[in-house]
Amino acid sequence: KNEVEQSPQNLTAQEGEFITINCSYSVGISALHWLQQHPGGGIVSLFMLSSGKKKHGRLIATINIQEKHSSLHITASHPRDSAVYICAVNGGSQGNLIFGKGTKLSVKP
Amino acid sequence: NAGVTQTPKFRVLKTGQSMTLLCAQDMNHEYMYWYRQDPGMGLRLIHYSVGEGTTAKGEVPDGYNVSRLKKQNFLLGLESAAPSQTSVYFCASSYSSKGNSPLHFGNGTRLTVT
Repeated sequence: KNEVEQSPQNLTAQEGEFITINCSYSVGISALHWLQQHPGGGIVSLFMLSSGKKKHGRLIATINIQEKHSSLHITASHPRDSAVYICAVNGGSQGNLIFGKGTKLSVKP
Repeated sequence: NAGVTQTPKFRVLKTGQSMTLLCAQDMNHEYMYWYRQDPGMGLRLIHYSVGEGTTAKGEVPDGYNVSRLKKQNFLLGLESAAPSQTSVYFCASSYSSKGNSPLHFGNGTRLTVT
């Protein structure tokens, strides 16, 4: 069983839709990261959170430590949001990150 | 600030050849990492460094060596490339350890070994 599971693997949405990407993990952690990888390949950090909720523009990330679950929400989605979204937790040896396989999001105009 | 810069962006090697990937960061970060990304798999840690002059093995270190002679640079070496090392390689840095600070990634190096 993978230590970090993301769902769905692929997601297609129409512009303007509300999007939710889920991340479940099986190890003890103190921080969870959401990353975005654009079609060009570069990876950027969106959020790092250890409890509650964080918001940045149209993106919202939540985490429930007790349930070992996090969600990434995108409100009013736009084609430029098309990317792979990656969840990672610091549950590895020495606190190193364990990565999920990513969720590929495609937003159609 | 350039952030994290990786060179080269692309490389094709024949089996048995060697090469070095260079990662440079200008954020004065102590921690640096080398990952590989393969289709259908999450990013996997190859080696990492917690400061100048130190290196440690990650999840998939075999076939790779690293050096951190200067704080801003982290080099990844392949002494004898194998087709299994065909992958996209990412360097990253962070200001603190234990996964408790955001990672800053380079743009990746696409390596093909034939």
